[in-house]
Amino acid sequence: EDQVTQSPEALRLQEGESSSLNCSYTVSGLRGLFWYRQDPGKGPEFLFTLYSAGEEKEKERLKATLTKKESFLHITAPKPEDSATYLCAVNAGNNRKLIWGLGTSLAVNP
Amino acid sequence: ETGVTQTPRHLVMGMTNKKSLKCEQHLGHNAMYWYKQSAKKPLELMFVYSLEERVENNSVPSRFSPECPNSSHLFLHLHTLQPEDSALYLCASSQEGARTEAFFGQGTRLTVV
Repeated sequence: EDQVTQSPEALRLQEGESSSLNCSYTVSGLRGLFWYRQDPGKGPEFLFTLYSAGEEKEKERLKATLTKKESFLHITAPKPEDSATYLCAVNAGNNRKLIWGLGTSLAVNP
Repeated sequence: ETGVTQTPRHLVMGMTNKKSLKCEQHLGHNAMYWYKQSAKKPLELMFVYSLEERVENNSVPSRFSPECPNSSHLFLHLHTLQPEDSALYLCASSQEGARTEAFFGQGTRLTVV
């Protein structure tokens, strides 16, 4: 069965303390892995798409990487405004249906 | 306006009411989606419209009825809902194809009383 698991469920960091979020997946035929950020009461905001193992993408303090089994979202020197829930989703062959993880709730303390 | 816009942002309705959620996208996309987001659950895909034709209906109860009059607008008609239908309802759009990301609206927080 296709599945996406995100860990940890929640993470609390001090400002400037770098860390990584994990998204592991078991799907047949990965066609794309997506990272989103979601603030409370709002819709998910698109961050990155990764298509093949070894691919990396960066945006400000965020860097996403992909292997054949998992993806990491590295957060370098986070700031309080990086506090949000980070969602991972995988497209596994079906043109439209994404398989979503439960997300990692990140809190960055000043 | 830009992006994906949803109205209303908040809705409280009784179990016997009829209401509609509205979504409009200004991105020139040709596919639109309705998702349901509940606490402690992953996003659930409800409906997909591609080129204004419904192409997916993921076993959603008939008390939810989608409508897509054109490629920019999407509605979700609600009637005789149950308290367990309370959730954040999200609209999204994308350009048709597996390798394209979806862009989401801000959602409608629905409470059924």
